[in-house]
Amino acid sequence: EPEVTQTPSHQVTQMGQEVILRCVPISNHLYFYWYRQILGQKVEFLVSFYNNEISEKSEIFDDQFSVERPDGSNFTLKIRSTKLEDSAMYFCASSERISGANVLTFGAGSRLTVL
Amino acid sequence: SQQGEEDPQALSIQEGENATMNCSYKTSINNLQWYRQNSGRGLVHLILIRSNEREKHSGRLRVTLDTSKKSSSLLITASRAADTASYFCATRRNNAGNMLTFGGGTRLMVKP
Repeated sequence: EPEVTQTPSHQVTQMGQEVILRCVPISNHLYFYWYRQILGQKVEFLVSFYNNEISEKSEIFDDQFSVERPDGSNFTLKIRSTKLEDSAMYFCASSERISGANVLTFGAGSRLTVL
Repeated sequence: SQQGEEDPQALSIQEGENATMNCSYKTSINNLQWYRQNSGRGLVHLILIRSNEREKHSGRLRVTLDTSKKSSSLLITASRAADTASYFCATRRNNAGNMLTFGGGTRLMVKP
């Protein structure tokens, strides 16, 4: 069964460093998403991406964050100048449909620890 | 902003019992979905119910939707220890793009 692949599974970084989280969405999917989940808390929407541009973003997704689809397969989330509160599990997801029901397929997540 | 809120936050039952989890939301929706998350893992889609549907079944899962009360329930019948996980409802708002908004989840523990 097709799956969303995320790397790294766990990254530890020093406060102030830049981090890039990578995702390979399902190949025939059209929408891509990043969500984050701080330990024990709810899953929060960050950004959605369609047709090589951001389609929606939340208040969390400020200038510290950026997304990119550098080639035909990868979808990356860059976090500049990381802060302690960026420590969380970051989930990439993709969905097939443009309209109607949109079922998200999630990756296993990348755990980011900022020290 | 719209949020799905589940209750209870945590539920502990014995294997074989039924588990019911509830979700409330605030604005009109296109559809409501339930996802499951095993500890430290990604979310897995379980079932989707559209705004014009009232009930849906999938195996041991039964979902209801009451748009007048802006609420949904997920029933897992004849629970198994392997059902232990967190369960999240997620809503897609009308005319608001493709994003899903997730609730805080219900942590279900099924004791063998």
